[in-house]
Amino acid sequence: DAKTTQPNSMESNEEEPVHLPCNHSTISGTDYIHWYRQLPSQGPEYVIHGLTSNVNNRMASLAIAEDRKSSTLILHRATLRDAAVYYCILRSYNNNDMRFGAGTRLTVKP
Amino acid sequence: GAGVSQSPRYKVAKRGQDVALRCDPISGHVSLFWYQQALGQGPEFLTYFQNEAQLDKSGLPSDRFFAERPEGSVSTLKIQRTQQEDSAVYLCASSPTLGRVSTEAFFGQGTRLTVV
Repeated sequence: DAKTTQPNSMESNEEEPVHLPCNHSTISGTDYIHWYRQLPSQGPEYVIHGLTSNVNNRMASLAIAEDRKSSTLILHRATLRDAAVYYCILRSYNNNDMRFGAGTRLTVKP
Repeated sequence: GAGVSQSPRYKVAKRGQDVALRCDPISGHVSLFWYQQALGQGPEFLTYFQNEAQLDKSGLPSDRFFAERPEGSVSTLKIQRTQQEDSAVYLCASSPTLGRVSTEAFFGQGTRLTVV
């Protein structure tokens, strides 16, 4: 299985940008990079995904290294509601493999 | 409803009791996943369905765990002779499959199982 490595925890101040890193050195050519987050007492929710190019949506941006062995989730202005565990997952195009690691617990300080 | 629905939300079982957890995926979604999440841990993959076919059950921890999706829609995760170590939140997710396009998965809120 392709695996990802993330820091256990990170802290940010409210209204500041947050860069959440993920290493995936064994990524294959058919793996998409997905990010999910899990708020307390909720199921995970989709944040963003990409293959090779950087991606932006209303929640976040995803910066993918040229060799695709790492990526960074960028929250442009952290709010208290962004406090959650963020998971970086590699998912093959045929959708039958979606396995979570331990994730990064993001704390946002007011 | 528009999202993935799981029932019951909470279940307390006596050790040795059988339980059945239900997942109603988003209508038309082909892929369905089950996960087990212990307190403070990330979700652990249990099993995966594509329509009614169970394509991967490598994450099921023992033969006491059984999952089915007979008509390719609703799925049930059954745990026989529950043990205390089965206490966890069980999450279900569904996802459309669009060939070579990787898509997002939608999660239910989970069923919290407590074995006493």
